[in-house]
Amino acid sequence: GQQLNQSPQSMFIQEGEDVSMNCTSSSIFNTWLWYKQDPGEGPVLLIALYKAGELTSNGRLTAQFGITRKDSFLNISASIPSDVGIYFCAGRITGGGNKLTFGTGTQLKVEL
Amino acid sequence: DAGVIQSPRHEVTEMGQEVTLRCKPISGHDYLFWYRQTMMRGLELLIYFNNNVPIDDSGMPEDRFSAKMPNASFSTLKIQPSEPRDSAVYFCASSLGGVYYGYTFGSGTRLTVV
Repeated sequence: GQQLNQSPQSMFIQEGEDVSMNCTSSSIFNTWLWYKQDPGEGPVLLIALYKAGELTSNGRLTAQFGITRKDSFLNISASIPSDVGIYFCAGRITGGGNKLTFGTGTQLKVEL
Repeated sequence: DAGVIQSPRHEVTEMGQEVTLRCKPISGHDYLFWYRQTMMRGLELLIYFNNNVPIDDSGMPEDRFSAKMPNASFSTLKIQPSEPRDSAVYFCASSLGGVYYGYTFGSGTRLTVV
């Protein structure tokens, strides 16, 4: 099935740095979601976006729904050790009902 | 709410054996999803239900896999016979209907077939 392309695949950053990752698709999406997965656990929803151009924040996290509706971005400001994990984008294709397609994931590692 | 509950957390079985994974969705959620996660293929949707009815099973790998949802509070994913390539983490997730809701995932079942 279709997967969303996420980049970068992994990141190794210093504590305190800002982080940016993005997700692209060849299809138009009507919803974009960002999840975080800790080791041994299921993905947990961080931010949801519903409108092209929308910018939404959740604490140090900010996500944007791309104007073309084919991409989304996630920024983490002032990273801390507990930000370590795998970040997934997910989206609903217009006309695709309630089915979410997940991205390939970005693994974030934070160096103290 | 206890969230989505999956059991067992870990399962080790021999090739050829039957494996049954269980899921209890969040009360009131009318959608239930089964995903498989591997390093090579990421998160793959296997099947999803709406109001206990299977809606899309196009992701089920082959006839060895089957899923049921006999009522709103319980679902099973069965693999018979199991093969080493079925080794993966299997997640169950549930949600309310509509585009304004995300999925809530369980903690997963790590399956190892030897």
